[in-house]
Amino acid sequence: SQQGEEDPQALSIQEGENATMNCSYKTSINNLQWYRQNSGRGLVHLILIRSNEREKHSGRLRVTLDTSKKSSSLLITASRAADTASYFCATRGAGSYQLTFGKGTKLSVIP
Amino acid sequence: EAGVVQSPRYKIIEKKQPVAFWCNPISGHNTLYWYRQNLGQGPELLIRYENEEAVDDSQLPKDRFSAERLKGVDSTLKIQPAELGDSAVYLCASSSYLRDRGTQTLLDEQYFGPGTRLTVT
Repeated sequence: SQQGEEDPQALSIQEGENATMNCSYKTSINNLQWYRQNSGRGLVHLILIRSNEREKHSGRLRVTLDTSKKSSSLLITASRAADTASYFCATRGAGSYQLTFGKGTKLSVIP
Repeated sequence: EAGVVQSPRYKIIEKKQPVAFWCNPISGHNTLYWYRQNLGQGPELLIRYENEEAVDDSQLPKDRFSAERLKGVDSTLKIQPAELGDSAVYLCASSSYLRDRGTQTLLDEQYFGPGTRLTVT
């Protein structure tokens, strides 16, 4: 079963614009991770945020976590055509070793 | 460092035939995962290994799926016999657990291979 639900399912923006993707989950977590998957490829880890953290940055990526709302957002600033991919959030439940992925947001960045 | 290696990349078989996938994780990673990813979905865990021990195989359909990780390095996932519904991408991932001393929070960044796309006809 998949715990995370990304929103929107698909997003199309112009190069240079910012892209925001959201993730909601159902149960308490240890951490939440975002992964990117280019077409026909494996997943690449982008960023991890712990349950006691509220915001984290990595280059052009900004992740927020609101445990009271059980939600997270991924912001990609100044998007590039190379950012075109599917983005997945994955949660590690409290007391669990399992990583549970959502269905992903398909991002298209138009040059 | 070399990434997670999987083979084959693509496999087309007829239903009821057997098929096997191979994975070589990143050197030194003691944890290995097999996931199945259906079209338009996120990966779903099939089995997790800690070294050579399968510590979580609760979601592995054991009537037709089997896996092994001899010597705690390479791993093989097998389906016998394959069914039409098994068509999917099978992903292997590995990780090296770290424990954050300050908060005792388990950290787990997983490294994925390119996957094997299985088509059952």
